[in-house]
Amino acid sequence: GAGVSQSPSNKVTEKGKDVELRCDPISGHTALYWYRQRLGQGLEFLIYFQGNSAPDKSGLPSDRFSAERTGESVSTLTIQRTQQEDSAVYLCASSLNPPGAGLDEQYFGPGTRLTVT
Amino acid sequence: AQSVTQPDIHITVSEGASLELRCNYSYGATPYLFWYVQSPGQGLQLLLKYFSGDTLVQGIKGFEAEFKRSQSSFNLRKPSVHWSDAAEYFCAVGRPTGGGNKLTFGTGTQLKVEL
Repeated sequence: GAGVSQSPSNKVTEKGKDVELRCDPISGHTALYWYRQRLGQGLEFLIYFQGNSAPDKSGLPSDRFSAERTGESVSTLTIQRTQQEDSAVYLCASSLNPPGAGLDEQYFGPGTRLTVT
Repeated sequence: AQSVTQPDIHITVSEGASLELRCNYSYGATPYLFWYVQSPGQGLQLLLKYFSGDTLVQGIKGFEAEFKRSQSSFNLRKPSVHWSDAAEYFCAVGRPTGGGNKLTFGTGTQLKVEL
C-alpha cells in the first residue's frame, strides 16, 4: 500500500513569509508525528496527534509553529514569519497505534526540505 | 528525560568487513529501542526494534542489535557490510507508556563503505 507522503518535497521561502507543509499518513493510522531534522543533527520531535487531537505539542519551538489534523488523516504544519533558523527537513510519521496499545512502529515520509533565505 | 548518544559521527568500513554502530541511551526503565536507516533523499526506514524479551534482535538487511541493560546500550551490528549499506543510521528511544509516543533520536552515524 501507499506509504506516508509529504508535500512539497522542497520549499524555498523568504524570511518573514508563512509556509504550510502537508503530510498524508498511511490510511488507517491513528497517530501522526512531526519531526524536524536540522543539518547534521538528529530528529527533533515537534508534535504528536492521536486522531485529530494533539496530546503532545511539547516540541514546537515557538508560537510561530502550529499544526492541525483533520478527518484523522491529513495534517498541516504551519510556520509563520519564517526565520533562517527554521531551515531544516521536516519529517512526518504515522503509526497504527490501536487504542490501549503502547508505542507502535512509526513509518516516515520522505520529508520536506525547507530553506529560508 | 530520555536521551540517546551515538558517539561516532562518521564511520568508514571496507566492503565485506564487519560493522558495529554504537548507541547508548538514558532512561529510568527499559525503553523501547529502534534503529532507523536514512539513505540520501529517502525517508527513514526501520531496521529493527526492541520492545522486550530476547535481547538479541534481528532486523532487515542482515542487521542485528543487542540490548545490554547493564551498559544502557543498543549497538547495531552486521557481519559483512555491502556497498549499498552506505547511509546514515539513527538510534531512537521511546517510552513504553506515558511518553506521548514520541521518539528521541540520536544525532546519527554516517556510514561510508569503501569498495
